[in-house]
Amino acid sequence: AQTVTQSQPEMSVQEAETVTLSCTYDTSESNYYLFWYKQPPSRQMILVIRQEAYKQQNATENRFSVNFQKAAKSFSLKISDSQLGDTAMYFCAFMRITGNQFYFGTGTSLTVIP
Amino acid sequence: DTAVSQTPKYLVTQMGNDKSIKCEQNLGHDTMYWYKQDSKKFLKIMFSYNNKELIINETVPNRFSPKSPDKAHLNLHINSLELGDSAVYFCASRRRGLAGGNEQFFGPGTRLTVL
Repeated sequence: AQTVTQSQPEMSVQEAETVTLSCTYDTSESNYYLFWYKQPPSRQMILVIRQEAYKQQNATENRFSVNFQKAAKSFSLKISDSQLGDTAMYFCAFMRITGNQFYFGTGTSLTVIP
Repeated sequence: DTAVSQTPKYLVTQMGNDKSIKCEQNLGHDTMYWYKQDSKKFLKIMFSYNNKELIINETVPNRFSPKSPDKAHLNLHINSLELGDSAVYFCASRRRGLAGGNEQFFGPGTRLTVL
């Protein structure tokens, strides 16, 4: 079974600073997808960024980027120029390329401090 | 708007009652899911349907029964509600296949409170 670990239950960052959220996963698969989802207080789950394991280049979406280390099974999320609207719960997720099930981590609660 | 919608968004009911939550997606996706999010924000997969066929059926009480009348709908019926069923329930959908992002699109969630 696949497992996803987010070892930081809570984090905080000053507005305009940079913060990195960690995620590790365990799998014997070689092809898979990784995702970061954001859940603000509104509780809507929003996709932040995705990464295909066969792509060596790290994905970026505006202020959000990932550091994907396949050998280390690590998939961290970097948020640059943090904004108050980034305050949310962040979930890391894994899915096998031929699978149906998403495996979610336990989440990291991020607070951006003005 | 293209989206995943759920009704109702809030549901308050007494223990022992039976209730349903409806989910619809107009994204043309073929796979739909139900998740339960507890008070600690942990997301637990409950069920998944692909083209109206049940493909994931995690260990949940048999008081929970999903029903998919067509590819665009996945409803969740809960019998004999218990206090421990209080949670937020999310519906999600995804287009299967090697092309595309394969990400799940989530509905707004239904907050169920059992008194």
